Amino acid sequence: DAGVTQSPTHLIKTRGQQVTLRCSPKSGHDTVSWYQQALGQGPQFIFQYYEEEERQRGNFPDRFSGHQFPNYSSELNVNALLLGDSALYLCASSIVGVRYGYTFGSGTRLTVV
Amino acid sequence: GQQVMQIPQYQHVQEGEDFTTYCNSSTTLSNIQWYKQRPGGHPVFLIQLVKSGEVKKQKRLTFQFGEAKKNSSLHITATQTTDVGTYFCAGESFNKFYFGSGTKLNVKP
Repeated sequence: DAGVTQSPTHLIKTRGQQVTLRCSPKSGHDTVSWYQQALGQGPQFIFQYYEEEERQRGNFPDRFSGHQFPNYSSELNVNALLLGDSALYLCASSIVGVRYGYTFGSGTRLTVV
Repeated sequence: GQQVMQIPQYQHVQEGEDFTTYCNSSTTLSNIQWYKQRPGGHPVFLIQLVKSGEVKKQKRLTFQFGEAKKNSSLHITATQTTDVGTYFCAGESFNKFYFGSGTKLNVKP
């Protein structure tokens, strides 16, 4: 049990569609970060949410957006899907100000066809 | 672009041999973390290094943070088949984490 729950585990979408991925952080964690991991690559930082606001953002286009809810859970939305968006999307939770590692979820495998 | 470079990309060793992976950053890092990802799994946090020149050990694993806080290494002594997986470093700079591309370790029994 990773402590971080992501849904769905797998998803197939058509190019041009929109997708929403969900994440529930580990109990006690208040910060959620999203990463994109292409096959054979390291995770790439998309953005981080704390107190329902985006705190930091990586080099991803505006097609990638997110939201954090009062219960600290989070959503990642991707619009106008491209084939290149196919990847494993990882959610990682942590406690703000406590820099001792992220707890990652098992990820959502998104395939765009 | 990616700010943390990690080498080697792959390493195949015989069980009992040692293994080392290296990370280098183009900028000074506030800290560096190491993760292990098993095939088909998600990254699992191993350790964090914060101080310049810091060395930490976890059983057969030794982690080092360079004096300039721009490089780090993970050394595994006497590898076992359970060590198989991809090892990632993740350096923090200005509140963002930059993952290396990982070193995939294969251990032959």
